[in-house]
Amino acid sequence: SQQGEEDPQALSIQEGENATMNCSYKTSINNLQWYRQNSGRGLVHLILIRSNEREKHSGRLRVTLDTSKKSSSLLITASRAADTASYFCATDVRGGAQKLVFGQGTRLTINP
Amino acid sequence: GAGVSQSPSNKVTEKGKDVELRCDPISGHTALYWYRQSLGQGLEFLIYFQGNSAPDKSGLPSDRFSAERTGGSVSTLTIQRTQQEDSAVYLCASSPNYEQYFGPGTRLTVT
Repeated sequence: SQQGEEDPQALSIQEGENATMNCSYKTSINNLQWYRQNSGRGLVHLILIRSNEREKHSGRLRVTLDTSKKSSSLLITASRAADTASYFCATDVRGGAQKLVFGQGTRLTINP
Repeated sequence: GAGVSQSPSNKVTEKGKDVELRCDPISGHTALYWYRQSLGQGLEFLIYFQGNSAPDKSGLPSDRFSAERTGGSVSTLTIQRTQQEDSAVYLCASSPNYEQYFGPGTRLTVT
């Protein structure tokens, strides 16, 4: 089964609203990353948060990490139509090979 | 600078044929990864290279799948005797450390 699971699977909001996506994982991690994918092709790295960090910001993005609950959230503030994409969390499993385990993704649609 | 490139961008093949997918990573990135993504699904890890060696092949679905990397650079993923269930987008990524840089993918369709 997947290490990371995103919630919700799909999210549709109006432009200007905030979008929140959640990710849960099962095993201990070194870090957690969020990626964006447009049109089912290559993924773009958004932000990395280390296991000893609780919150990180990058522009309109805010990521939180709760290692006790094995969960993370991605908040996109003041959403724009261009934010429409699929968003994936990925975990770098502690003690494992250097590979990322991806969740199933959240499909975000921003309505103008 | 140049990103990760993959070729071909699209490949249609008949069931039973062999295919080769190519990945050119970002220069200097020692780690290279192959993933597969079926329609509407997440990414499925296939194989990981550190330099030319593959310490983790655990994701290869069957012995019809193989991959190699030469000169610490270009990698090819070979699928022999393709089946319809092999149809997917095959994504390659390279990494200097934790962050992975993805190519645009190869969309494989097996008819």
